[in-house]
Amino acid sequence: GEDVEQSLFLSVREGDSSVINCTYTDSSSTYLYWYKQEPGAGLQLLTYIFSNMDMKQDQRLTVLLNKKDKHLSLRIADTQTGDSAIYFCAETLSGNTPLVFGKGTRLSVIA
Amino acid sequence: DADVTQTPRNRITKTGKRIMLECSQTKGHDRMYWYRQDPGLGLRLIYYSFDVKDINKGEISDGYSVSRQAQAKFSLSLESAIPNQTALYFCATSHSGSETQYFGPGTRLLVL
Repeated sequence: GEDVEQSLFLSVREGDSSVINCTYTDSSSTYLYWYKQEPGAGLQLLTYIFSNMDMKQDQRLTVLLNKKDKHLSLRIADTQTGDSAIYFCAETLSGNTPLVFGKGTRLSVIA
Repeated sequence: DADVTQTPRNRITKTGKRIMLECSQTKGHDRMYWYRQDPGLGLRLIYYSFDVKDINKGEISDGYSVSRQAQAKFSLSLESAIPNQTALYFCATSHSGSETQYFGPGTRLLVL
């Protein structure tokens, strides 16, 4: 079965790095996603990684995938107050199954 | 994402009333989804549609129904609203072959 787990809260100081972790149970996952939800808004795709990759970097964002441990992480370098949001991890098995979302991690950035 | 719109953005209704939430998209995507978001529970899938004639139940479809009127429109109905359906509802779209989903801004529903 599919299940995606995330811790619910993370608090960091402005300028520090944030690391948001996610574990998933289905080793057949093909794509893994990170979405960001700002207050009062819908979910916005941040980045995604294909299962045959172990790292993807995009400006301040670094995604690490450990398939052996079924662990996905999102690192935000030089965290800013504008990064305060809920971050959702999601997985999909194939093109014919909907995404399965974690419960979201609320990131609070302290100035 | 302005390409996915939801109406209304906010709605207050009473227990027992029938209401409809609408979703429209200009992205040309064939797949559409309805989710609800509750604090601490994340996103839960209500229904999804991979094409105009395709409707599938999600994790929590009881008490809801949907209609895919056209490729660009997917509406969610609460036949007889109850207070525990108070939540934030999101519509999303994707293109077959790419499960990246694009979300609307959400509809905040309060059932009294």
